[in-house]
Amino acid sequence: DGGITQSPKYLFRKEGQNVTLSCEQNLNHDAMYWYRQDPGQGLRLIYYSQIVNDFQKGDIAEGYSVSREKKESFPLTVTSAQKNPTAFYLCASSIGRDSSYEQYFGPGTRLTVT
Amino acid sequence: GQSLEQPSEVTAVEGAIVQINCTYQTSGFYGLSWYQQHDGGAPTFLSYNGLDGLEETGRFSSFLSRSDSYGYLLLQELQMKDSASYFCAVRDAGSARQLTFGSGTQLTVLP
Repeated sequence: DGGITQSPKYLFRKEGQNVTLSCEQNLNHDAMYWYRQDPGQGLRLIYYSQIVNDFQKGDIAEGYSVSREKKESFPLTVTSAQKNPTAFYLCASSIGRDSSYEQYFGPGTRLTVT
Repeated sequence: GQSLEQPSEVTAVEGAIVQINCTYQTSGFYGLSWYQQHDGGAPTFLSYNGLDGLEETGRFSSFLSRSDSYGYLLLQELQMKDSASYFCAVRDAGSARQLTFGSGTQLTVLP
């Protein structure tokens, strides 16, 4: 079955530590996205990538970094510079840039930083 | 920038019809998408309107009026499993055709 996997489902870290969230897709999609969701809120775009070795900042990129070395993988690093990192992080993909209206989401990683 | 408004909560009974409205302000509008998200789960794509009019997919329909900067999601024959959050999301030139999501509408379906 094709889909998007994110691991782990729950992640706990101490303040000041960097943490990397995994996102893998086997849908053969070109575009991938990272969103952050806070309780009772919509999704906010952190970073997106339309092709391997290229990525763009979204609305809230500060304190985050990404890489796109392979088509299937788009890991997100939450750095210690992110002031309020506790949130639900969702990875998504779409066929391409022109199909961004229809995105497929992974199950998410719930990050808690104390 | 972009802004979207949708009601925070809607309640309806099983078997009824409910309409979730979404108004938006954007620059260079491309289209309006709708997503469903159950508690703690992943959002799933429901529909997309790039042009004015009604799109129907089973019990769900979505409508767009570009001149009014307005759209809605219509859910018919409500079922308990339809209890979820529903998000409208605009795709526009101002955000390089990426999606900007509304804050979501929590739909509760009562027996």
